[in-house]
Amino acid sequence: GESVGLHLPTLSVQEGDNSIINCAYSNSASDYFIWYKQESGKGPQFIIDIRSNMDKRQGQRVTVLLNKTVKHLSLQIAATQPGDSAVYFCAENIRNTGKLIFGQGTTLQVKP
Amino acid sequence: DTAVSQTPKYLVTQMGNDKSIKCEQNLGHDTMYWYKQDSKKFLKIMFSYNNKELIINETVPNRFSPKSPDKAHLNLHINSLELGDSAVYFCASSQVASGGYEQYFGPGTRLTVT
Repeated sequence: GESVGLHLPTLSVQEGDNSIINCAYSNSASDYFIWYKQESGKGPQFIIDIRSNMDKRQGQRVTVLLNKTVKHLSLQIAATQPGDSAVYFCAENIRNTGKLIFGQGTTLQVKP
Repeated sequence: DTAVSQTPKYLVTQMGNDKSIKCEQNLGHDTMYWYKQDSKKFLKIMFSYNNKELIINETVPNRFSPKSPDKAHLNLHINSLELGDSAVYFCASSQVASGGYEQYFGPGTRLTVT
């Protein structure tokens, strides 16, 4: 079935360290992937996206890596800050459907 | 400027009642969505509309009826509310219906059914 999963429900890191959040997806027809950040009491907020014809994309302090061979997606956050504490979701778009399938979320806790 | 807005923010009601949640986007997008987020934070699409036309209708009880009066608005009406309907409901919008573009989410409506 369609599913996007995350390997760890909670990730705890020290302020200043790099964080890596992983995600496994199952649908080979997925052509677009997004990482969202959700802070408590708010809606998901776009962080970065990547299309299936790429394997890496960088933003400000964030990098997304896509490995289509093993259907794996990761989000790297450099120099993690307290403001990065949130739940992070990966989502895959099933080609030509407009349907975003979300993973279960990883809670990132940043220790000062 | 609020891109995607929802009202109300919180909704507490009793079983059996009928309630509506409203959503508006000022991004000029053609496509709007409703998602449900359960107590474990799992986000699942319910419906999507493109230019007032229903295009995605997931396995949702027919007590849930979306209505799009124009492409900037997508409302969700829920009849005969049940305890299991308690969740956070998010509205979202995007540029095109076929996907491949970011979806912008509203702040959510926390529905509590007692």
